[in-house]
Amino acid sequence: EVQLVESGGGLVQPGGSLRLSCAASGFTFSSDAMNWVRQSPGKGLEWVSYISSSSGSIEYADSVKGRFTISRDNAKKSLYLQMNSLRAEDTAVYYCARDVCSSTSCYYTNWGQGTLVTVSS
Amino acid sequence: DIQMTQSPSSLSASVGDRVTITCRASQSIDTYLNWYQQKPGKAPNLLIYAASSLQSGVPPRFSGSGSGTDFTLTITSLQPEDFASYYCQQSHRTPPTFGGGTKVEIK
Repeated sequence: EVQLVESGGGLVQPGGSLRLSCAASGFTFSSDAMNWVRQSPGKGLEWVSYISSSSGSIEYADSVKGRFTISRDNAKKSLYLQMNSLRAEDTAVYYCARDVCSSTSCYYTNWGQGTLVTVSS
Repeated sequence: DIQMTQSPSSLSASVGDRVTITCRASQSIDTYLNWYQQKPGKAPNLLIYAASSLQSGVPPRFSGSGSGTDFTLTITSLQPEDFASYYCQQSHRTPPTFGGGTKVEIK
């Protein structure tokens, strides 16, 4: 069974930092790209960042570029998101999501349960 | 960025009803369109990928169609467990973007 388990969320002051982790199991983690997707309270879904299986390709949403850093450790089957210079608008549930591609689309087949990040003084 | 517009934003329906949700892209995305279901307090769940392919384990009452800019998610014979929010998502261009969501409520 595929499992993705996020951790590391919590309450942080504006300007602070937090590191999220996502532990993967039940699939060949090193073969699949991964993403972080967030959802502000009562709002829709927003893609945050992408990392390819080998970490050779990395992308960020403009809203987090220069502040967030995605990384992965394939030996530990773990995905990370280092979040610096946090703002109130970063408050959200953060999900890690497994990225799978067919010939006609790429899509998120598995999601973690999410971890809540609250940025407030 | 490619904008994804879903309609309606919410709807009320009864068990057994046929429900249709539409999603329009601001530019052509071929069939790089996916649909997710999300229940309150839970993570999204993939229903349809590549516009019309049913994800494994998803009941066949769910179906998707469309290509280019206009897409549809259809639920035939709505079941109690289908009351949830639904999101479309394009993966044609970075950044991947989601529609605003459609909340399906009980009439």
